[in-house]
Amino acid sequence: DAGVTQSPTHLIKTRGQQVTLRCSPKSGHDTVSWYQQALGQGPQFIFQYYEEEERQRGNFPDRFSGHQYPNYSSELNVNALLLGDSALYLCASSLVTRPDQPQHFGDGTRLSIL
Amino acid sequence: DAKTTQPPSMDCAEGRAANLPCNHSTISGNEYVYWYRQIHSQGPQYIIHGLKNNETNEMASLIITEDRKSSTLILPHATLRDTAVYYCIVRPLLQGAQKLVFGQGTRLTINP
Repeated sequence: DAGVTQSPTHLIKTRGQQVTLRCSPKSGHDTVSWYQQALGQGPQFIFQYYEEEERQRGNFPDRFSGHQYPNYSSELNVNALLLGDSALYLCASSLVTRPDQPQHFGDGTRLSIL
Repeated sequence: DAKTTQPPSMDCAEGRAANLPCNHSTISGNEYVYWYRQIHSQGPQYIIHGLKNNETNEMASLIITEDRKSSTLILPHATLRDTAVYYCIVRPLLQGAQKLVFGQGTRLTINP
């Protein structure tokens, strides 16, 4: 039973570029949440997707956008990259009808902005 | 903002029990306590969760005080592989409200 998978594992971009990160949820899960984790900090919630719509959003600018596909996989897009966007980006999946059950995380994409 | 308070770091000897405290004095009646840990360069790993009763699984035990204002995660026989940052999180049991709010966590170091 595959867990949450993210790609790529590492990525290097320059300021002003755009990036797309991908996530496949754990089998049986239908909800995907994205988190940003700066070095030495806990993960910060970016947004959550369910039924191909953004359901909840954290305190992130609209340079951060996402998408969810009918197979529940998801993408995180970041435009006009800033040096401060360098971080580990984590995807977590869950089942909307079981809010008592935990979210499961992937190992993240480490994004470095030069 | 995180609704939990944890010590920033702790040490424990290998083979001993590691007891990690968490304060959540403003917890609401419909909020669960979740524990995750994050080993270097990996994503957070779910450990255990509970509402008001003590819980135990193959990884750990969770002790929640009767007033639910604090809890303790217990790793009964710590190994070097348990060295990680441990996060205590409270989250309401509401469909759709699945955002996790992480604090700084406790950096647990297991010493040989």
